[in-house]
Amino acid sequence: EAGVAQSPRYKIIEKRQSVAFWCNPISGHATLYWYQQILGQGPKLLIQFQNNGVVDDSQLPKDRFSAERLKGVDSTLKIQPAKLEDSAVYLCASSPGLVGEQFFGPGTRLTVL
Amino acid sequence: GEDVEQSLFLSVREGDSSVINCTYTDSSSTYLYWYKQEPGAGLQLLTYIFSNMDMKQDQRLTVLLNKKDKHLSLRIADTQTGDSAIYFCADGMDTGRRALTFGSGTRLQVQP
Repeated sequence: EAGVAQSPRYKIIEKRQSVAFWCNPISGHATLYWYQQILGQGPKLLIQFQNNGVVDDSQLPKDRFSAERLKGVDSTLKIQPAKLEDSAVYLCASSPGLVGEQFFGPGTRLTVL
Repeated sequence: GEDVEQSLFLSVREGDSSVINCTYTDSSSTYLYWYKQEPGAGLQLLTYIFSNMDMKQDQRLTVLLNKKDKHLSLRIADTQTGDSAIYFCADGMDTGRRALTFGSGTRLQVQP
């Protein structure tokens, strides 16, 4: 079974630029999560989708972050414009339903200069 | 809000047992998880325990849960150099109304 795929693996941008990350969850998984992991901290949830609907986006900085999951499969997370404090690893995870084990992708490491 | 806390660092010798501790604040947590993260990799689920259990054993891993004190521990028997990684404790609920809340991670260093 293929795991959660993410791209790119690394991205370096300057502040005020825009960036987008892509995630392809495990086939058949209804729930998809985006987490932000700042160096030295645990992952923090940004947004949770159930199929193509948003379950929780309470911690998503909506003035600059947006995410979508068209057709309930792939998802993209966008930051526009980026700030220095957005430097982190962005992890995508999926699970078969709303509960149960979450399977994580390798993450995208973003550096904002 | 919910909070999960862990000690930052643990160093052990190869062959010894490692014990990583975690405390959480949300008494309604239903599941408690241990994840492992190796450098440059995503998180890998090691094991989990339901909140109505006191202990779970899975090969070299033993999870102990003290629900009264909201304290969780992960014991790794016969620790190997390949166990060197960051270990995250996380809590979740069975309704899926909120995603996992992670601790800040414990870096385990295994010395030969």
